[in-house]
Amino acid sequence: NAGVMQNPRHLVRRRGQEARLRCSPMKGHSHVYWYRQLPEEGLKFMVYLQKENIIDESGMPKERFSAEFPKEGPSILRIQQVVRGDSAAYFCASSPVQAHEQFFGPGTRLTVL
Amino acid sequence: GIQVEQSPPDLILQEGANSTLRCNFSDSVNNLQWFHQNPWGQLINLFYIPSGTKQNGRLSATTVATERYSLLYISSSQTTDSGVYFCAALYYGGATNKLIFGTGTLLAVQP
Repeated sequence: NAGVMQNPRHLVRRRGQEARLRCSPMKGHSHVYWYRQLPEEGLKFMVYLQKENIIDESGMPKERFSAEFPKEGPSILRIQQVVRGDSAAYFCASSPVQAHEQFFGPGTRLTVL
Repeated sequence: GIQVEQSPPDLILQEGANSTLRCNFSDSVNNLQWFHQNPWGQLINLFYIPSGTKQNGRLSATTVATERYSLLYISSSQTTDSGVYFCAALYYGGATNKLIFGTGTLLAVQP
């Protein structure tokens, strides 16, 4: 049973470009979460999605960030007009139901030049 | 909101030594997870432990939910145990369902 998959593993963008991060949850999991880890810090919740629905986006910056989890395909975290402060590791997690153990992907390390 | 604190912030051990890492949380939580972030940055699930004690090889964990703390025990430490250990409390209520992470314990095991 494959784990949570994320791609790309490393992404380099110049200021002002767009970053798209992809996450495929574990088989049978319909709940997806995105977390961000800034350098030398712990992980911070960003957004919680189920298929075609954003359930809780209380941790998302108000501008430039968006997330989706379409009926078909992976969940996407999109960052428009990236700035240097967006450089971080972005982790995706999934769970089979709410209030259950979350399993994490390997992360995408975004570097903004 | 829920606060999660971990201690100690960092720890240096000689190979073979034992250690105890602590996680305190400020409010009732639905669940608690322990993770190991290895030097390559990957997060590895160690325990999913709302209460009681679990063991997995040289590692074990105990959560006392009524007193709002959890402990992670590492016995006979090895250099491969090095990395950052995070605890995370699951906050589930209404439409939210998220892990609140502590700031971690950085462990270095020396040969």
